[in-house]
Amino acid sequence: DAKTTQPPSMDCAEGRAANLPCNHSTISGNEYVYWYRQIHSQGPQYIIHGLKNNETNEMASLIITEDRKSSTLILPHATLRDTAVYYCIVSLSGNTGKLIFGQGTTLQVKP
Amino acid sequence: EPEVTQTPSHQVTQMGQEVILRCVPISNHLYFYWYRQILGQKVEFLVSFYNNEISEKSEIFDDQFSVERPDGSNFTLKIRSTKLEDSAMYFCASSEVSGRLGKNIQYFGAGTRLSVL
Repeated sequence: DAKTTQPPSMDCAEGRAANLPCNHSTISGNEYVYWYRQIHSQGPQYIIHGLKNNETNEMASLIITEDRKSSTLILPHATLRDTAVYYCIVSLSGNTGKLIFGQGTTLQVKP
Repeated sequence: EPEVTQTPSHQVTQMGQEVILRCVPISNHLYFYWYRQILGQKVEFLVSFYNNEISEKSEIFDDQFSVERPDGSNFTLKIRSTKLEDSAMYFCASSEVSGRLGKNIQYFGAGTRLSVL
């Protein structure tokens, strides 16, 4: 399974864009990049996913480099409620779709 | 918006007792999962379930664990004889599509906190 590397923590000022990086240099051609987040021990929440192209939805944007070895999740206007652990996941193993969570990035949004 | 529902939110049990954690997945989903998270640690995959059978299980999911879909709506995780180290948050998730078939968006419940005394 492709491994991801994320910084353990980041701060962001409220109202500013939060840019969360992820390295996934061993990603294979048909693996998607997924982002989930977990707010204070709640269940993980799906944010966005992509394969090659950049993606945007109501929550965030996902920028994937052309070589697909890294990606950035962008929260355009971070709020205090976006304080959470953010997980970048690229490996969906076999035919079961299990998610392999790393340690993620703890994003602290500050007033 | 449809959601995954888990009950109870908190379960306290004595070591050696059996517990059943319950989940109601999103109604049109076909793939079901259990994960657990020990306090302060990563979310860990336990088991996936499709078409009334286990698709994959992790090393954690030993003979003390079992899963069942007893009817068309519920999905349960049973721990036969709980140990202190089973204390954790247990999350149920469901998805329409598995990883092999392409994008696999899993929706998680709020979790059941299991405390084994």
